[in-house]
Amino acid sequence: GQQLNQSPQSMFIQEGEDVSMNCTSSSIFNTWLWYKQDPGEGPVLLIALYKAGELTSNGRLTAQFGITRKDSFLNISASIPSDVGIYFCAGQLIAGANSKLTFGKGITLSVRP
Amino acid sequence: SAVISQKPSRDICQRGTSLTIQCQVDSQVTMMFWYRQQPGQSLTLIATANQGSEATYESGFVIDKFPISRPNLTFSTLTVSNMSPEDSSIYLCSVGTPNGGGYTFGSGTRLTVV
Repeated sequence: GQQLNQSPQSMFIQEGEDVSMNCTSSSIFNTWLWYKQDPGEGPVLLIALYKAGELTSNGRLTAQFGITRKDSFLNISASIPSDVGIYFCAGQLIAGANSKLTFGKGITLSVRP
Repeated sequence: SAVISQKPSRDICQRGTSLTIQCQVDSQVTMMFWYRQQPGQSLTLIATANQGSEATYESGFVIDKFPISRPNLTFSTLTVSNMSPEDSSIYLCSVGTPNGGGYTFGSGTRLTVV
């Protein structure tokens, strides 16, 4: 089945630094999504990408949908302590509310003050 | 986006027993999705629950172990049956967003089986 690859498993950065996370797949996805999960909570959608090549920002977050449809990246600029959490990429073969998601394994981000 | 209320938020259960998790949405939705997140792992889809029909299970998950009810367009339950320690996980329900982009998740049920 489809798999999404995220690495490394953990990242440690200094407050104020920028960080970039990649997500790759051997299969094509037609929607790419980035989620953040805080401890004890469900994942929260950060950015949704619908078109190959699309670049979308949400505050300090920027994400791009790769042209090949097999990858995406998420950038966080000027990190702050509340950026700590697990970042998951997810893909949908078919865009829409009734199409299931495939998730990557997540990257745990730590931010040192 | 939809607001999802999921309960219980956590439970500790004896092996061999069953636990039913409830998921209530503040709006009507066609599909509801149940995920499992094992400790330190990603989210794995268990099944898709469509109101008025039987749930569709993913490979590796069966109805006898994870029976699902979907009595109306705002509510669903997932039962974890005959539990073993390997069932210790976070279970999450989710619904699609109205504009079609991504899902909204409940806060999850953290299950520990002893």
